[in-house]
Amino acid sequence: EAGVAQSPRYKIIEKRQSVAFWCNPISGHATLYWYQQILGQGPKLLIQFQNNGVVDDSQLPKDRFSAERLKGVDSTLKIQPAKLEDSAVYLCASSPGGGALSGYTFGSGTRLTVV
Amino acid sequence: AQSVTQLDSQVPVFEEAPVELRCNYSSSVSVYLFWYVQYPNQGLQLLLKYLSGSTLVESINGFEAEFNKSQTSFHLRKPSVHISDTAEYFCAVERGGGNKLTFGTGTQLKVEL
Repeated sequence: EAGVAQSPRYKIIEKRQSVAFWCNPISGHATLYWYQQILGQGPKLLIQFQNNGVVDDSQLPKDRFSAERLKGVDSTLKIQPAKLEDSAVYLCASSPGGGALSGYTFGSGTRLTVV
Repeated sequence: AQSVTQLDSQVPVFEEAPVELRCNYSSSVSVYLFWYVQYPNQGLQLLLKYLSGSTLVESINGFEAEFNKSQTSFHLRKPSVHISDTAEYFCAVERGGGNKLTFGTGTQLKVEL
């Protein structure tokens, strides 16, 4: 089965610019996650979708970050305007919906560098 | 709320030596426990997981971890490491039914000749 697809693989932008990341989860997976992994830290959950509804966005900096999952399939994560501290790898993951009992699959991530 | 502590940020070890990567968690409810491995410029790969049953779980490449409820630990061990085991290892916890993972800060395992 195809994995979780993410693009772009790398992105370099200047601070105050905007950027968008795209994720295509495994077909049929109801739950989609975006994680932020800053260098030297573990991944931190930004937002969790169940189909096209938001389950948890408590750690999403909503003044600059936004995410959507139209039609309950693909998802985009946007940052506007970007700050230096947003430099990180953004990981997308998906799950059939049962969490640990059904498993998580991670994409390869998008590495963002803000200069 | 739950948290995950990986006490060692880096663990250097010689090839064929044993290794233990430590993980402790805090949670007031039952949890599911995971170890993920991340090779340079790659995504997270599941190494092993504990959901229920036997407290000792094994991976296909020789790693094992033991769930210790009384000590709230899930340490990862391998009796003899290989150069190819060099990677970053993350411990993660899901609160039972929570359907989301909380990760530790990671341990960089560096295997030397």
